[in-house]
Amino acid sequence: GQNIDQPTEMTATEGAIVQINCTYQTSGFNGLFWYQQHAGEAPTFLSYNVLDGLEEKGRFSSFLSRSKGYSYLLLKELQMKDSASYLCAVRDSNYQLIWGAGTKLIIKP
Amino acid sequence: IAGITQAPTSQILAAGRRMTLRCTQDMRHNAMYWYRQDLGLGLRLIHYSNTAGTTGKGEVPDGYSVSRANTDDFPLTLASAVPSQTSVYFCASSDKAGDYNEQFFGPGTRLTVL
Repeated sequence: GQNIDQPTEMTATEGAIVQINCTYQTSGFNGLFWYQQHAGEAPTFLSYNVLDGLEEKGRFSSFLSRSKGYSYLLLKELQMKDSASYLCAVRDSNYQLIWGAGTKLIIKP
Repeated sequence: IAGITQAPTSQILAAGRRMTLRCTQDMRHNAMYWYRQDLGLGLRLIHYSNTAGTTGKGEVPDGYSVSRANTDDFPLTLASAVPSQTSVYFCASSDKAGDYNEQFFGPGTRLTVL
């Protein structure tokens, strides 16, 4: 079967750095997405990786290792507004997104 | 610029009733999707449409139907609602079904079936 694993919840301190991991087992791979979802709101796109390596976008970076079925989202200089759930999704061989359950990130002052 | 709109925002429905959730996008995106989101589970694809006039089944299609008569609209119908269909429903769209294209999400419909 297809499976996306992420930690359920993480806590970090304002101004710090946090890494959210995602491991996947899917039928085929056509890219990995990270989305942010604030409570009660819709998911919004953060990043996309299709080749191995690091993609940097401001305070957020995303890393992919296809051979290990592994990705992480790195958030730097954490702000209170970064408190949200972070969703990892893999596009499979049918070009459909398979979603992880999300990681709830709690930022403390 | 509206993006994707969904209606209603929330609904309480008696079991056995028929219900249509509406979704409209103004981005002229080819592909559209319906997901449900339940606590502790990832988003699960119900139905999708790669282009107007075509639809396909996702991971959890039973009890739901869709139509795609034009590019902008993608309604989701529950023919006879059951309590297990209580969920938050998100409609999404993307420019094309494949390649890089990110999916844009509507604000969601919170549905409770009693």
